Amino acid sequence: KQEVTQIPAALSVPEGENLVLNCSFTDSAIYNLQWFRQDPGKGLTSLLLIQSSQREQTSGRLNASLDKSSGRSTLYIAASQPGDSATYLCAVTRYSSASKIIFGSGTRLSIRP
Amino acid sequence: GAVVSQHPSRVICKSGTSVKIECRSLDFQATTMFWYRQFPKQSLMLMATSNEGSKATYEQGVEKDKFLINHASLTLSTLTVTSAHPEDSSFYICSAGTLAGVGGTQYFGPGTRLLVL
Repeated sequence: KQEVTQIPAALSVPEGENLVLNCSFTDSAIYNLQWFRQDPGKGLTSLLLIQSSQREQTSGRLNASLDKSSGRSTLYIAASQPGDSATYLCAVTRYSSASKIIFGSGTRLSIRP
Repeated sequence: GAVVSQHPSRVICKSGTSVKIECRSLDFQATTMFWYRQFPKQSLMLMATSNEGSKATYEQGVEKDKFLINHASLTLSTLTVTSAHPEDSSFYICSAGTLAGVGGTQYFGPGTRLLVL
C-alpha cells in the first residue's frame, strides 16, 4: 500500500530565505509525482508535475526533484515571499493519469514578513 | 489547462437531509472521476473512484450506501451524501482524469464545502 509522508508538518521562516520541503513515498512504482498548493479553505493549485522518467521540474522560483529509486522528492522554494504562505501537498499517481492519487499530509508553510 | 467545475461551492443543510454535489469536466471527456474528502487541517483522502457507465469503487471505510456516486456521462459525476449528519461536514473535492496519452494528468475541481447543522 502506497504511503506518502511529508516533513516537516509545519515550517515558519523569515521572508527571503530559501527552503526545502520533503516528501517520501513507500512504493517506487509511480506514474508521476505532483506538488500542489492549497490556501486555507480553497481548492488545489498544481505547482509542478514530474513524470516517473524525469528527475526534476522547474517553474519560476520553484524546483521539484524526484528520486524514484529512493522514494523521495523535494520542493525547493527560492527567495520566499509572504505570498508563498500556504499548505503544500505532495501526491503520487501509480499507473496512469486515470489512476487514483495518494496525497501526503502536507506541510503548512508560513513566511514571516 | 483543462477545467473541472463543482457545484455548489458551499452548502449548508439540516441533519437528515440529502445533498448532491456535481463535478463537471468542462472541456474534455473524463474517463475516470475521483471524489476526495478533506477534514480541517488534514490531507485529502480518496473516497471513491468512478468510471463512466459503471459502479463506483469505494475505498475501505467509506459507506457506499451513504455516499452515492453516479457517473452518467464522460463529463459529469455526482456525489450524493444521504441522510447527512454533522460528522459529514467536510470539504469535498473531485478530480477528473483521462487516458489521453503519456503525460496526462488529473484536474481538480475547486471543492465544495458542506456544513451539516
